[in-house]
Amino acid sequence: DTEVTQTPKHLVMGMTNKKSLKCEQHMGHRAMYWYKQKAKKPPELMFVYSYEKLSINESVPSRFSPECPNSSLLNLHLHALQPEDSALYLCASSQNQYNSPLHFGNGTRLTVT
Amino acid sequence: EDQVTQSPEALRLQEGESSSLNCSYTVSGLRGLFWYRQDPGKGPEFLFTLYSAGEEKEKERLKATLTKKESFLHITAPKPEDSATYLCAVQATTDSWGKFQFGAGTQVVVTP
Repeated sequence: DTEVTQTPKHLVMGMTNKKSLKCEQHMGHRAMYWYKQKAKKPPELMFVYSYEKLSINESVPSRFSPECPNSSLLNLHLHALQPEDSALYLCASSQNQYNSPLHFGNGTRLTVT
Repeated sequence: EDQVTQSPEALRLQEGESSSLNCSYTVSGLRGLFWYRQDPGKGPEFLFTLYSAGEEKEKERLKATLTKKESFLHITAPKPEDSATYLCAVQATTDSWGKFQFGAGTQVVVTP
């Protein structure tokens, strides 16, 4: 079991749906991340929150909307996705944004139909 | 341009057959190099952090080493449960804090 919990584990959604991915950590980490991973590829960074403020947005399309309600929670709101957005979405946390290792959750497997 | 390259892409080992994975990097300055293992359908699991050339870290059958241009992950007497994809990630001094450059990974299969 990891210390970063993601829900749901699997999600199937249509292109007109709105859904949210959730991530929670209780390690006291102050940086949280969203990554996207396609099959047989490394994770690609989407967003970084540091001390609950968005510090990096890797030019992600606006159909992905992150939210950090508090230091333990991270959400990713999804709207009007495309089939090519189907992937494993990984949440990670680190002690801070400065050179500390990432601790990943087990991801949400998203399929867009 | 910064680059992180892992080799080989795939490695098939017999149980007990030791081997090494390579992560070479070309960055102007290294803040840290990180090793992860990833099982199918799961998130990467953190293994080691290395910060400076000459540093070594060990955990069970795994040992990570770092030089100025590359890192090795040595697997000694592997067991089938060591089968996974091993990823290295680099944080360079030219990167924004919070950004890591991942290699493409080495898929390791250990057969009994």
